[in-house]
Amino acid sequence: TQLLEQSPQFLSIQEGENLTVYCNSSSVFSSLQWYRQEPGEGPVLLVTVVTGGEVKKLKRLTFQFGDARKDSSLHITAAQPGDTGLYLCAGEGPWVHDMRFGAGTRLTVKP
Amino acid sequence: EAQVTQNPRYLITVTGKKLTVTCSQNMNHEYMSWYRQDPGLGLRQIYYSMNVEVTDKGDVPEGYKVSRKEKRNFPLILESPSPNQTSLYFCASSLTVGNQPQHFGDGTRLSIL
Repeated sequence: TQLLEQSPQFLSIQEGENLTVYCNSSSVFSSLQWYRQEPGEGPVLLVTVVTGGEVKKLKRLTFQFGDARKDSSLHITAAQPGDTGLYLCAGEGPWVHDMRFGAGTRLTVKP
Repeated sequence: EAQVTQNPRYLITVTGKKLTVTCSQNMNHEYMSWYRQDPGLGLRQIYYSMNVEVTDKGDVPEGYKVSRKEKRNFPLILESPSPNQTSLYFCASSLTVGNQPQHFGDGTRLSIL
């Protein structure tokens, strides 16, 4: 059982469409990170959210941390083929030593 | 350039033949960890190290060993590899533990026949 559930698992859309992916848990996190991973590479950090209700924007990407700090969402506006990749969320919970990762959402944006 | 370097990138080997995957970081990070990534399971932590000579088990440590004799290096050792250890492995480092961005290597794809 995944501590962090990401949905959807797979998403295939056309260029220009908007999309939202979700990261949910029954646990409270002190912080949550979103990474993007491309084939043949390691995950690369996109953003860290720390405060409940926090919204961060990174160009066309909007990240939101739930008020209760149990969930997060990533919204992409006008998706482009370069957004294709595996999006991973990782939460820092009551454990002091690590971040726990979700299984990821694999996004494909078709030209 | 700040980076985490893993070697080898790819390895096909046979059951029982000891192997080591090296990991080196040049950012003077205290915290290093090893993950395996399997389809549908995401990244699962194998071992982590908070500093030199300090290592501890993650979620899936069985069949693996690590050492941290120097700050920059954190090798992963499979003493007697088995087919269920076929996976994509990532080494990561961060300045300290907690609320820190982790920098990942590019991965090592291991196939144990």
